Parts: sequence; structure tokens; C-alpha cells
Amino acid sequence: RKEVEQDPGPFNVPEGATVAFNCTYSNSASQSFFWYRQDCRKEPKLLMSVYSSGNEDGRFTAQLNRASQYISLLIRDSKLSDSATYLCAVNENNNDMRFGAGTRLTVKP
Amino acid sequence: SAVISQKPSRDICQRGTSLTIQCQVDSQVTMMFWYRQQPGQSLTLIATANQGSEATYESGFVIDKFPISRPNLTFSTLTVSNMSPEDSSIYLCSVQVSAYGYTFGSGTRLTVV
Repeated sequence: RKEVEQDPGPFNVPEGATVAFNCTYSNSASQSFFWYRQDCRKEPKLLMSVYSSGNEDGRFTAQLNRASQYISLLIRDSKLSDSATYLCAVNENNNDMRFGAGTRLTVKP
Repeated sequence: SAVISQKPSRDICQRGTSLTIQCQVDSQVTMMFWYRQQPGQSLTLIATANQGSEATYESGFVIDKFPISRPNLTFSTLTVSNMSPEDSSIYLCSVQVSAYGYTFGSGTRLTVV
């Protein structure tokens, strides 16, 4: 079983749609959680951290469910510029970050 | 957050040769991480580079193949040795920015022919 698993997609959605990604992790002792965005041929860039209480940044909402060991990312009112690959990341021991394979999102006009 | 300068950005190399990738950070960091990302795949941690000690390698990666240097707190190199086409990949260095995840270099796209 992979340490961090994501639905690879692709997700193809129209502009304005709401889309959600889930990511499961295997290590129950994992300490911190993140979502990254990776554009084609670019390096991953931190999108947001994921806190136990959930957190929101504009159109983006991240949630953590420790009991079920998954994190989620919700994007509301999708924009064309949201098209990218979204990687979840789990920090297992404060210096051991494990990444999912990424979920590809395409937002279409 | 830290800014990382990584080079080269890309290279095409002959099999059997070696390539050294450099990463320079604009601030001092305790640990630097080297990842590999093959097309359509996740980032795979190769090793953690610590200043003043040997790098720590992940399962499946060995020092003879991927020697790492960490001469100071702002710089590290990764060498891909005796390359074969299977080494064709994107190689990324990264640093941890306090508790707020990692920052990555812009990556080195390596093609071995």
C-alpha cells in the first residue's frame, strides 16, 4: 500500500464548478499535512497547510480527518487558472515529507 | 520563505557519464532534500542532506549512484553517476520552511540517451 494515495484524475470541470480532491495516508502518526500545486514543467508550490480544524483561503478549503486518515481540498468557483496538478503531502516525522502522485485538474471555459 | 536557485535546468547526457546538480539557498537551512519525479509520478525522496555529516538515503538509493555534498548551510549538490536511460527524470531539491511545508528548486530535467 502506498504511503500517500490520491485519485490521479483527470478531473475536467467547467468554469465556476466546485471540485473536491481526497488524499489518504497510511501512517497514523503523521504530523502535518499540505496541499501543493504543480503546473506543467514547473516545481511544486505550497498551496496551503491543512489544520485539524480545517482552513480556508479564498475559494480553497482544506480539511483533515485524522480518524479516517484523509485530507481533502475543495475548490469553489473554479477558474481556468486553477488548471494544474494538485499534490497532497504528509509530513511523517517533521523532516520526512511524503507526496501523493497528484490529481490533475483541467478547468474548461 | 526561502528562495532556491537550482541548476542546470535541463541537460541531455550520454549514458555512462555523470551529472552534478547544484542548489543554492538564500538562507541557512539545516536540512536539504533531494527528490526525483518521473513523468506522471509522485515525488520520490532520494536522500536528506545534512551539513557536516553524511547524507541519509532512502531505500532503493545508494551513495555510489547518487553522491551528495553539503559543504555549508546554504548549498548542496547531487550527482547522478554512471547514468542510464532509466535515470531520465526531473530532480528537485527542497528545504523545509519552518512548519509551513517545503520550498522547491525549479528542478533539473535530465534526459539520458
